[in-house]
Parts: sequence; C-alpha cells; structure tokens
Amino acid sequence: KNEVEQSPQNLTAQEGEFITINCSYSVGISALHWLQQHPGGGIVSLFMLSSGKKKHGRLIATINIQEKHSSLHITASHPRDSAVYICAVDKLIFGTGTRLQVFP
Amino acid sequence: GAGVSQTPSNKVTEKGKYVELRCDPISGHTALYWYRQSLGQGPEFLIYFQGTGAADDSGLPNDRFFAVRPEGSVSTLKIQRTERGDSAVYLCASSSSGTSRYFGPGTRLTVL
Repeated sequence: KNEVEQSPQNLTAQEGEFITINCSYSVGISALHWLQQHPGGGIVSLFMLSSGKKKHGRLIATINIQEKHSSLHITASHPRDSAVYICAVDKLIFGTGTRLQVFP
Repeated sequence: GAGVSQTPSNKVTEKGKYVELRCDPISGHTALYWYRQSLGQGPEFLIYFQGTGAADDSGLPNDRFFAVRPEGSVSTLKIQRTERGDSAVYLCASSSSGTSRYFGPGTRLTVL
C-alpha cells in the first residue's frame, strides 16, 4: 500500500463542472502539498497545507489532519485546468497523481 | 533569478558516461531537493539539502548517484557510469522554511 494515495487516477469533466480530487496518507506529516503538472511542463506548487483550508482563485484545498485526508477542489473547471495533480506529503512522498481532462 | 533554474535542459549521453546536472535555487532558499521523474510516473525523491549539508539522501538509488551543494546555493547532481535506466527528467526544487516548494523546469536525461 502506498503511503500517499490519490483518487481518482483519471478524471474527465465538462467545462464548468466542480471537480474534487482526494488524497489520503498514512504517515505523520508536517505539511501536505498540492502540485500541478501540465503535459510536458514543469511542476507548479498550488498549495502547502498543514491545517484547515486554503483558497486561491478557483482552487480550494482542505486538509483533515485527524483523518489524514486532503481534497483539492476546482470550481467552474476550464480546459486549461487539464493537467496532472499530485499530492505530496513531508517527508517528500508523492502520490501517483490524478490526470484531469476538462473538455469544452 | 526569479525562479529555480536547471541546466542543461536536455542531456543525451552514452551508457557508462559521467554526467553532471546543475540546479540554481531561488536566492535565499535554504532547502533544496532533487527528484527524478520517469515517463508516466510521479516524481521520486532523491536527496534533500538544508544549507550545505545533505539532510536526507535516502532516495539516492545507489552509489553511482551523488549530489553536492558546497556553498549552500547551487547544487550539482552527479551520476557515474550512467545506465539506460537512469533516463528520466531530473527535477530540482527549493524552498524557504515553512514555504511552498518551487520547482525548476527539469533536466531531461537520455542515456543511449
């Protein structure tokens, strides 16, 4: 069993839909990171969370430390949101990623 | 510079050769990370520096891999006797204490 698991592995959505990507982890952490990687592109850090909730534009990330679970939400999804979303926890353990495709 | 930079962007080498990959972190970032990402896979941790010292090198796959950060800024990842299985994108990231990690564009290494 991976120490960081994401679901779903693949996700297809219509433009405008609300999207949720989940991350569960089994290790103790000091922070959890949500990363975005576009095809052939570099990795961009979206959020670093240690508790509660953070919002940036159409992106919202939440974390429940007791349940060892985090979610990344995208509101009003757009084709440019199509990317691989990766959950990573300290110490430097990555989830397998969620490949998101948003169609117009 | 404004972000993390890595050189070269692409490196093609022959099996058995030695390669060096360079990472220039964001100025003032004390933490520096090296990762490796194979095609279709997520990043895999290699080594983490805090300042000049390797705080955690448990991800280095074997003794052919070595990394240095002599002045606490630029880091070099060194791979000896390269093998075809070393082909991957090598990513560098840096961060300041308590902040998000900033990733470089990566170096695509191809071992023929």
